[in-house]
Amino acid sequence: DADVTQTPRNRITKTGKRIMLECSQTKGHDRMYWYRQDPGLGLRLIYYSFDVKDINKGEISDGYSVSRQAQAKFSLSLESAIPNQTALYFCATSDPAYLDTGELFFGEGSRLTVL
Amino acid sequence: AQKITQTQPGMFVQEKEAVTLDCTYDTSDPSYGLFWYKQPSSGEMIFLIYQGSYDQQNATEGRYSLNFQKARKSANLVISASQLGDSAMYFCAMREGDGRALTFGSGTRLQVQP
Repeated sequence: DADVTQTPRNRITKTGKRIMLECSQTKGHDRMYWYRQDPGLGLRLIYYSFDVKDINKGEISDGYSVSRQAQAKFSLSLESAIPNQTALYFCATSDPAYLDTGELFFGEGSRLTVL
Repeated sequence: AQKITQTQPGMFVQEKEAVTLDCTYDTSDPSYGLFWYKQPSSGEMIFLIYQGSYDQQNATEGRYSLNFQKARKSANLVISASQLGDSAMYFCAMREGDGRALTFGSGTRLQVQP
């Protein structure tokens, strides 16, 4: 099984629907992240969490919310999906850089299409 | 200002040749880390190599090496003896201090030709 698991892997939905992307990890990392990938723009940070009680906005948090249900689980919600939220979404985890390099360990990605 | 800049949207290389993918970065933090990730067409993100700002030697991992020029703020990835399986998107990324998260460049699509 993958160390970082995202569900669903693919989802097609309609404008205005609420969508939740879930992420769970078995790496034991405190730090978890949600990124969005669009062609030509690389990966952009949506939200990140350094522990269960810590949630922080990234550079593109508008239109998204998150929930850190446990150390191992971090969910991303789109309350009312719109077509320009069509993208590939990645969950990632890491140790703090003072313990290691801060390398991100990624899930396999969730491809979301909003019609 | 862009923190990570990858100026080559696409690159071609012949099989068995070496190729350099460019990455420049911008930070005022003396402590930072630079990463390269590979994304094949299947979509997963694969960690390739890491260079810390205080590392004296350029990082190497098998056929991958990182040409770290601190004064020029560049961290180019060199792939030696390219293979068809190296065809993928390559992303450069930076961590500042114990930073909040990695910042990624826009990526370079490498195509290896037989």
